[in-house]
Amino acid sequence: AQSVTQLDSHVSVSEGTPVLLRCNYSSSYSPSLFWYVQHPNKGLQLLLKYTSAATLVKGINGFEAEFKKSETSFHLTKPSAHMSDAAEYFCVVTRSGGGADGLTFGKGTHLIIQP
Amino acid sequence: GAGVSQSPSNKVTEKGKDVELRCDPISGHTALYWYRQSLGQGLEFLIYFQGNSAPDKSGLPSDRFSAERTGGSVSTLTIQRTQQEDSAVYLCASSSVKSLHFGNGTRLTVT
Repeated sequence: AQSVTQLDSHVSVSEGTPVLLRCNYSSSYSPSLFWYVQHPNKGLQLLLKYTSAATLVKGINGFEAEFKKSETSFHLTKPSAHMSDAAEYFCVVTRSGGGADGLTFGKGTHLIIQP
Repeated sequence: GAGVSQSPSNKVTEKGKDVELRCDPISGHTALYWYRQSLGQGLEFLIYFQGNSAPDKSGLPSDRFSAERTGGSVSTLTIQRTQQEDSAVYLCASSSVKSLHFGNGTRLTVT
């Protein structure tokens, strides 16, 4: 079994300040981990993914995430928030073999950017 | 194609009508998932296909919902006798071992 916990349902930061969106996971397997962003009325867009290569993963739009096995975390960060970053962010865990239990979503974190 | 393709992108239907939603996964991806996202809600798992195995239908909310995947590729999600609570964005995703891709979804509105 596996699970994903996004620790904050809402995060509010000022434009130009750092962003931290937290994700913890549990998995009996060697997981692959993803962060997706969803802007209002848009589809899910892949930000970055970890698939057992480098633990520090760089994605699009200046986002990065670090896989920490000892902490079972995969937090998403960005040094300086931009207004266009306002969106819903989902942390996703997958394992090979799939199934309903093989693709697990966090409940999402709504990122608010204050001007 | 380069990504997961879903059609139609938008569908408005009258209550009681049947609808079919289509998903074209990435070529070679053996796994295919359907999810739905209602307004202000998270992602709700519906059904999962893996190769030639029997699909995991544990997320289908009622017997009005069914899905099939022909030839291990294209999938169709069918909703019979649609209800207003079926209004949502229906998302399809396909995956290989270390790759997961979503379509842009079909926005279904039941009037």
